[in-house]
Amino acid sequence: TQLLEQSPQFLSIQEGENLTVYCNSSSVFSSLQWYRQEPGEGPVLLVTVVTGGEVKKLKRLTFQFGDARKDSSLHITAAQPGDTGLYLCAGPPGRTYKYIFGTGTRLKVLA
Amino acid sequence: DVKVTQSSRYLVKRTGEKVFLECVQDMDHENMFWYRQDPGLGLRLIYFSYDVKMKEKGDIPEGYSVSREKKERFSLILESASTNQTSMYLCASSLPDSGNTIYFGEGSWLTVV
Repeated sequence: TQLLEQSPQFLSIQEGENLTVYCNSSSVFSSLQWYRQEPGEGPVLLVTVVTGGEVKKLKRLTFQFGDARKDSSLHITAAQPGDTGLYLCAGPPGRTYKYIFGTGTRLKVLA
Repeated sequence: DVKVTQSSRYLVKRTGEKVFLECVQDMDHENMFWYRQDPGLGLRLIYFSYDVKMKEKGDIPEGYSVSREKKERFSLILESASTNQTSMYLCASSLPDSGNTIYFGEGSWLTVV
């Protein structure tokens, strides 16, 4: 079974702290997406990374795709309460329509 | 802006009822998907469609069917709803190439009593 494992599963931090979420697999992905989902809503796309070694920045969020395209990370600088949510990584292993979703990281940022 | 619209945000149905969940996308995407999301189980693919009238089973198709008569619309059908189908249902769409991003609707909360 192809899996995307995320760590940590849960994270509760104070406002202003930094954090990193990891997404790992034994499979190669042609791309990886990161989503944030708030309670009762659908996942909202944050970024897509395509090239091995790629780094993308979205304000205080930095996304990296591993050189071998098997893993990715999301780093948040100076977290804010508005960053609270469920973070999901996802992607198509190999050449397939069937996206696999990560196990999710539930982040809570306390004011 | 990318737009995937699910017709019902919240539904309550009785066991045995036939349930239709409708999804429309305005991006001319070839691929459309139905997922369900449950605590501790994450997102699981029910069905997907890669063209009009084409469909393929996902990981958990039992108890569900789908219909795609037009490119922009993908319907999920529960022929006879059961309590274990109480869940959050998410519709999504993407362009055809495997590396393309999936865009989600806001979700439909279905409770079967």
